[in-house]
Amino acid sequence: GAGVSQSPSNKVTEKGKDVELRCDPISGHTALYWYRQSLGQGLEFLIYFQGNSAPDKSGLPSDRFSAERTGGSVSTLTIQRTQQEDSAVYLCASSFMDEQFFGPGTRLTVL
Amino acid sequence: QKEVEQNSGPLSVPEGAIASLNCTYSDRGSQSFFWYRQYSGKSPELIMFIYSNGDKEDGRFTAQLNKASQYVSLLIRDSQPSDSATYLCAVYTGRRALTFGSGTRLQVQP
Repeated sequence: GAGVSQSPSNKVTEKGKDVELRCDPISGHTALYWYRQSLGQGLEFLIYFQGNSAPDKSGLPSDRFSAERTGGSVSTLTIQRTQQEDSAVYLCASSFMDEQFFGPGTRLTVL
Repeated sequence: QKEVEQNSGPLSVPEGAIASLNCTYSDRGSQSFFWYRQYSGKSPELIMFIYSNGDKEDGRFTAQLNKASQYVSLLIRDSQPSDSATYLCAVYTGRRALTFGSGTRLQVQP
């Protein structure tokens, strides 16, 4: 079956611009997660959605970051007024039980 | 102390040998443990998970969990050059999102 999909695969933007990253989880998966991985670094949790519950936003690094999940499926991560330190690979994962499956990621480069 | 610790490596083993990857975690309440493989430029791929003390085998992979000592390990038997990757240990540490170690880079020499 189809895995987690993300778009775009690559995004280059200028400092100060807003960007939107999209995640389409595996059908039937109720949980959706966003992580980011900076060059040579580990994965950093950003936000978690579970069904209709309020999202766990505890990992968002600043108020420039926000995310929503519409209809319990597709999620969009928005970064406003991007900064160079936002450059990273943004990874989305989904799960039905405990095992999380990752999408291919969006590589964001802020010039 | 980091919540999940791994030796960054690289761990170099000859083809056909057993590769042993280790991970320690700080939260005694953790119940679920995962190993992901990440090839360079790719996203993490789930290869093993373990919930109970002891060993869990899947093909060439064996995960070992010791909750009393707070460590989890991954053994790769008959290592192949295609196993060369970074192996990430991940644990649920109280909140419903995985906390990852920084990964161990494995190099399998032909």
